[in-house]
Amino acid sequence: AQSVTQPDIHITVSEGASLELRCNYSYGATPYLFWYVQSPGQGLQLLLKYFSGDTLVQGIKGFEAEFKRSQSSFNLRKPSVHWSDAAEYFCAVGDPYNQGGKLIFGQGTELSVKP
Amino acid sequence: DAGVIQSPRHEVTEMGQEVTLRCKPISGHNSLFWYRQTMMRGLELLIYFNNNVPIDDSGMPEDRFSAKMPNASFSTLKIQPSEPRDSAVYFCASTDRGEKLFFGSGTQLSVL
Repeated sequence: AQSVTQPDIHITVSEGASLELRCNYSYGATPYLFWYVQSPGQGLQLLLKYFSGDTLVQGIKGFEAEFKRSQSSFNLRKPSVHWSDAAEYFCAVGDPYNQGGKLIFGQGTELSVKP
Repeated sequence: DAGVIQSPRHEVTEMGQEVTLRCKPISGHNSLFWYRQTMMRGLELLIYFNNNVPIDDSGMPEDRFSAKMPNASFSTLKIQPSEPRDSAVYFCASTDRGEKLFFGSGTQLSVL
């Protein structure tokens, strides 16, 4: 069965420091991979997605993620965190053979940013 | 476009009452999803529709939950009777090609 694991429930980083949020997935083939961000009281917003091709994908707000097939990982990175990046981040997988189908989300990682 | 619109934003009800949550997807989107978010279980997919037809309702917790999509611009999620453990944030999302889900702002449900 498809599953997504985000090992870190909560991470705190200092403003200006680099960030890496971990995501591991379980899937029979290469799934579609996504990172979403949720600000308090809001719905989720897409940061970036990977379908195929270049394994390093760029997203909005200066985020990037790297797909590593050998590690079944899709970690999210940002070189310099801003206070406004404090939010909850969700990794998700989708079925490439069922476009328009459901996404399976990880449990989320809450990011706090210290001044 | 105004995005995915959910109503109400907040709902407080008493155990045993019927609750109806509403969603208007983005015009032109042909897939609609209902998710539930809790601290304990995270984001769970309850049901999704493609072209107004329910495709997968395996996430619906029990018979007290039902969802309908009578047309391409409207969907409801109903809980009858409601129980305190149904308290959660319920999100509706829509997409046209599955490449990006657009989420509504959610309905915060509290069942007392």
